[in-house]
Amino acid sequence: GAVVSQHPSRVICKSGTSVKIECRSLDFQATTMFWYRQFPKQSLMLMATSNEGSKATYEQGVEKDKFLINHASLTLSTLTVTSAHPEDSSFYICSARDVREGEKLFFGSGTQLSVL
Amino acid sequence: SQQGEEDPQALSIQEGENATMNCSYKTSINNLQWYRQNSGRGLVHLILIRSNEREKHSGRLRVTLDTSKKSSSLLITASRAADTASYFCATDGRSGNTPLVFGKGTRLSVIA
Repeated sequence: GAVVSQHPSRVICKSGTSVKIECRSLDFQATTMFWYRQFPKQSLMLMATSNEGSKATYEQGVEKDKFLINHASLTLSTLTVTSAHPEDSSFYICSARDVREGEKLFFGSGTQLSVL
Repeated sequence: SQQGEEDPQALSIQEGENATMNCSYKTSINNLQWYRQNSGRGLVHLILIRSNEREKHSGRLRVTLDTSKKSSSLLITASRAADTASYFCATDGRSGNTPLVFGKGTRLSVIA
């Protein structure tokens, strides 16, 4: 199946700093990528839909200035958590579809963000 | 937004037993998918069932869908310790490249 690579897998940062998370589709092109957030032992909450070459679509309640998404190429989307605070600590996961594989989503391995 | 509930939230069984997880959803769907997540990892697609299908099999997995009750079940037969993971149902309400809405998940523990 298709492969989605996400980096870093774990990051610890100080409050007030910014953190960038990269999501790459390795063997397919992804015009759209989806960013989810997951708290411990809870489900995935959709944060935003990243669209190549255009602005991301954010879900209600997600601050677009806080969570900057850039989808500059057909294989790379980035999520930048700006001025991170402890409440931003969470597991962030990206996903995308490969048109050759139908409707299933392929996920990155996730990024555990801890803000001190 | 959450689509619905998985039930049970946690399930612990012995190796070799069958595990059944249920999922309910709220809105009309195009298809329903089940995913597996090992702790601290990304999700892996298991099986997809379309709104016009009632049952589907894949290896030790059996999925049912009842659109009148807006519910689905995932059965894992002859469970193994390696099946220990969280299982999520996800609904796809529209055709096209749209995001999935995930249920709350069932944490399955298979004891050897």
